Amino acid sequence: DAKTTQPTSMDCAEGRAANLPCNHSTISGNEYVYWYRQIHSQGPQYIIHGLKNNETNEMASLIITEDRKSSTLILPHATLRDTAVYYCIVRDFNFGNEKLTFGTGTRLTIIP
Amino acid sequence: EAQVTQNPRYLITVTGKKLTVTCSQNMNHEYMSWYRQDPGLGLRQIYYSMNVEVTDKGDVPEGYKVSRKEKRNFPLILESPSPNQTSLYFCASSLSSGRAYEQYFGPGTRLTVT
Repeated sequence: DAKTTQPTSMDCAEGRAANLPCNHSTISGNEYVYWYRQIHSQGPQYIIHGLKNNETNEMASLIITEDRKSSTLILPHATLRDTAVYYCIVRDFNFGNEKLTFGTGTRLTIIP
Repeated sequence: EAQVTQNPRYLITVTGKKLTVTCSQNMNHEYMSWYRQDPGLGLRQIYYSMNVEVTDKGDVPEGYKVSRKEKRNFPLILESPSPNQTSLYFCASSLSSGRAYEQYFGPGTRLTVT
């Protein structure tokens, strides 16, 4: 699975859009980009995933560059409950172990 | 409500006393997995199961056992716990392997072995 690079920490004002970048320059054609978050020792929570196209769901939007070497997770209107560590994970899927490799992630702090 | 449950949520035990952490999901998921999370080491996979009666080792299986007799349950067994197994444990499940499905995680079990 491709390696990802994320900023260690970010702050965002409550009510503003939080944009979390992720670099995955070695991504291969079959690898998906996943985002999970972990709120203070709770179980990681799935946010969104995509392959090539931009994706949006009720939680967030995922923007993937055309060359797929980087992506941005967008939380459109951040609230205090969005304070968490956000993990960008790139992995292929194949019939077998669905292990997720969590890096160090980005610690996002929402400021009141 | 679709969810993964774990019990107990907190456990303090002594070295050598066998224990079981239960994991159950109500989503009819085929794939289940156990992770442990330690400061500075992130989440590491212990065991996984692709379906009933199919289990395999993850990255850190030593000192742990699992079983998958029913689709919904995937208990983690520590036959003789040791202090280095003090950790935060998470169970996860997804619909199946081989597709880009999201994984659902349980709330965690904080285990302390003295």
